[in-house]
Amino acid sequence: NAGVTQTPKFRILKIGQSMTLQCAQDMNHNYMYWYRQDPGMGLKLIYYSVGAGITDKGEVPNGYNVSRSTTEDFPLRLELAAPSQTSVYFCASSYSPPQGMYTEAFFGQGTRLTVV
Amino acid sequence: QKEVEQNSGPLSVPEGAIASLNCTYSDRGSQSFFWYRQYSGKSPELIMFIYSNGDKEDGRFTAQLNKASQYVSLLIRDSQPSDSATYLCAATDNFNKFYFGSGTKLNVKP
Repeated sequence: NAGVTQTPKFRILKIGQSMTLQCAQDMNHNYMYWYRQDPGMGLKLIYYSVGAGITDKGEVPNGYNVSRSTTEDFPLRLELAAPSQTSVYFCASSYSPPQGMYTEAFFGQGTRLTVV
Repeated sequence: QKEVEQNSGPLSVPEGAIASLNCTYSDRGSQSFFWYRQYSGKSPELIMFIYSNGDKEDGRFTAQLNKASQYVSLLIRDSQPSDSATYLCAATDNFNKFYFGSGTKLNVKP
């Protein structure tokens, strides 16, 4: 049981390049999230998904795209990378809570991205 | 905009003391509340959750929730140097989205 797996762990990208950050979970969670964390800051929600085929924007979606073709995978696409996208990216997953119950978010190890 | 606010710190306490971390949230519809610990360069890990008013204790940790005041706190008793980390407060909305504060850095001095 690997939990939430992100690849790559580190990446340096040149301005204008594109890349896909991979995220996979093996816990059969229906909710998946992408967050970014800038130095000394909290986590900002980029996109989230409530299940295969269903995605929605979070707080900071500009410059990113996502897809969710399976329950397990939730890749994040960066088009035309900019220095402002230099950050640490975390993927997370959780499950539908029974009414009145909690549901924690399980995090991947993160991807440290630098755009130069 | 759904905001979760925390004092960024750093909060310095001596070993063995009680550390008190605080958090406020803007969305009255928030459902559940979480405290995550994050060591430098690592991913957040869950410390405690709470979704009912009052106190909840788990070992050295106590979470407190006051929905009327929109206030969440975390007490760490008998603080240890290994507790030195950034503590993130989070709230979920009706759509199970997690909103995080900017975190409070805790330093526990031996």
